[in-house]
Amino acid sequence: EIVMAQSPATLSVSPGERATLSCRASQSVSSNLAWYQQKPGQAPRLLIYGASTRATGIPARFSGSGSGTEFTLTISSLQSEDFAVYYCQQYNNWPPYTFGQGTKLEIK
Amino acid sequence: EVQLLESGGGLVQPGGSLRLSCAASGFTFSSYALSWVRQAPGKGLKWVSTISGSGGSTYYADSVKGRFTISRDNSKNTLYLQMNSLRAEDTAVYYCARPYTSGWAGCFDPWGQGTLVTVPS
Repeated sequence: EIVMAQSPATLSVSPGERATLSCRASQSVSSNLAWYQQKPGQAPRLLIYGASTRATGIPARFSGSGSGTEFTLTISSLQSEDFAVYYCQQYNNWPPYTFGQGTKLEIK
Repeated sequence: EVQLLESGGGLVQPGGSLRLSCAASGFTFSSYALSWVRQAPGKGLKWVSTISGSGGSTYYADSVKGRFTISRDNSKNTLYLQMNSLRAEDTAVYYCARPYTSGWAGCFDPWGQGTLVTVPS
């Protein structure tokens, strides 16, 4: 099973600033890596797939990078609606599909 | 619009059973594998099970293998999860989800709104 590790667990950033979230895989997942945003009481929302491709309707301030075992989600200028929990997921080797434990992005 | 709508959650005693349903619309149901993903209260996302579009192939997380059964009725555009021998650690919101970029595998979008299963300890 591929283990996904996200860091940090909590990130405090001011609105308008840049946020950088990290995800590391225990073995290579190529570019088969997705990022999701989840707000309280809501289902996850796909942001990025293929490590760097924005899903339909996702604003350009969200960007993904990386391949192999190291990945980054960057939010270039934080808006109030961006404060949420973010998860990475690998879909290169399954079953099982595996998710990181999440990064909570909070207002500083 | 592609939609997934779960139902069937509730409170069940340890050792009991429950069947979840996920009604789908807005896409060719039989062309897509479908999955269940769960989220325990205050915790992260965990994949539970996947079924192929035909229903001929099924996959399970080790934690539910032998207790849960995924199935689908392509004539009713509905996905199911039969959960037996339920444990307190099965308490979670259960989401159904569809692959985003292919009919078979990959990341998930859309997701349903989720249905809560509670098994008291």
